[in-house]
Amino acid sequence: GEDVEQSLFLSVREGDSSVINCTYTDSSSTYLYWYKQEPGAGLQLLTYIFSNMDMKQDQRLTVLLNKKDKHLSLRIADTQTGDSAIYFCAETRNDYKLSFGAGTTVTVRA
Amino acid sequence: DTGVSQNPRHKITKRGQNVTFRCDPISEHNRLYWYRQTLGQGPEFLTYFQNEAQLEKSRLLSDRFSAERPKGSFSTLEIQRTEQGDSAMYLCASSLDLTSARYNEQFFGPGTRLTVL
Repeated sequence: GEDVEQSLFLSVREGDSSVINCTYTDSSSTYLYWYKQEPGAGLQLLTYIFSNMDMKQDQRLTVLLNKKDKHLSLRIADTQTGDSAIYFCAETRNDYKLSFGAGTTVTVRA
Repeated sequence: DTGVSQNPRHKITKRGQNVTFRCDPISEHNRLYWYRQTLGQGPEFLTYFQNEAQLEKSRLLSDRFSAERPKGSFSTLEIQRTEQGDSAMYLCASSLDLTSARYNEQFFGPGTRLTVL
């Protein structure tokens, strides 16, 4: 959606870290999310962050939120071939409607 | 219960025909959502239900679209007089609304891919 923007493509070598960036426009966003989509599969929630936090870590995933700049990033440590997918940034200002970015296609090369 | 299921997974139809999709949410989930995803884009919100009540509809949902959730369990999305611009992936999601919590995770189904010729 036009409220959420992300870069379209990222190529990363196996074992390196991936960083996917996202910007959003609505300062009243309460939660921000990262979803993963693989071919033939539904969207899978990877992680989320509440708007009053600036960092969240979950195993290989680190989410950073800069609320002042309305910038969200997802870092995947030790990227594996199974991490190849489309990653969507999403936000919500209520508890029912998600607004998604266009997705970043991550390709992991050996 | 293994998750949200959607049927059919693929539908090819001719312009002008009517189509209906079904979504079965996770048991006990009282909220059900429909999104549409076109190629190269993220999902866009269409509508959602709290039990059997349809609480919001996006402006994307034209008069040709109708969604129902008659018993508060499964839902159907019908498109009448399909147009080529309706070709997309239609995603269903469900969540358990805990009014004591502000965060409700939406679980997505695999989607129904519609192609209108």
